[in-house]
Amino acid sequence: SQELEQSPQSLIVQEGKNLTINCTSSKTLYGLYWYKQKYGEGLIFLMMLQKGGEEKSHEKITAKLDEKKQQSSLHITASQPSHAGIYLCGAAQGGSEKLVFGKGTKLTVNP
Amino acid sequence: NAGVTQTPKFQVLKTGQSMTLQCAQDMNHEYMSWYRQDPGMGLRLIHYSVGAGITDQGEVPNGYNVSRSTTEDFPLRLLSAAPSQTSVYFCASSYSRPSNYGYTFGSGTRLTVV
Repeated sequence: SQELEQSPQSLIVQEGKNLTINCTSSKTLYGLYWYKQKYGEGLIFLMMLQKGGEEKSHEKITAKLDEKKQQSSLHITASQPSHAGIYLCGAAQGGSEKLVFGKGTKLTVNP
Repeated sequence: NAGVTQTPKFQVLKTGQSMTLQCAQDMNHEYMSWYRQDPGMGLRLIHYSVGAGITDQGEVPNGYNVSRSTTEDFPLRLLSAAPSQTSVYFCASSYSRPSNYGYTFGSGTRLTVV
């Protein structure tokens, strides 16, 4: 089965700093999703990447898909306390209906 | 437009009790899934459905039953609750193949089995 490994597991940054979260797949990626979760809440969809080299941005968050490396990175520029939460990457297992997820990266942004 | 609605939000059960976690969506989505989220384990797929009358097992199906009699509803049944089923449960739905559209998630049900 496909596994998604996220790094780092947790991250503490000072407000205004840039940061990167990585998601590496054990198998070929047919699409990669990034979600954000605040404590006690559901997952909020951030963006979906489907093609190698694809890069998408939403406000100060940019994600990129490296198909050859079977990896995606999520970059936050000039972090703010509102960016705090758990970031999860997800992928369709073998292109099927099953979405599998990484274990998440917990981000803390100190004012 | 309510999206994906899960009830209840919180529940405490005694070992051996049964209960049903409700999930309803009003977006006419064909695909629906149940996940559980545990510390250090991430989200794990329990069961999923690709349409009314069709269900299949995910990664951790033991101890759970599902049915999909309508497009809107996808209840998750715990037949005999065990402490190992203490978790946060999320229901999710997608218009079509999640590989194309991703999932919309409910806000979760926090279940404690004592």
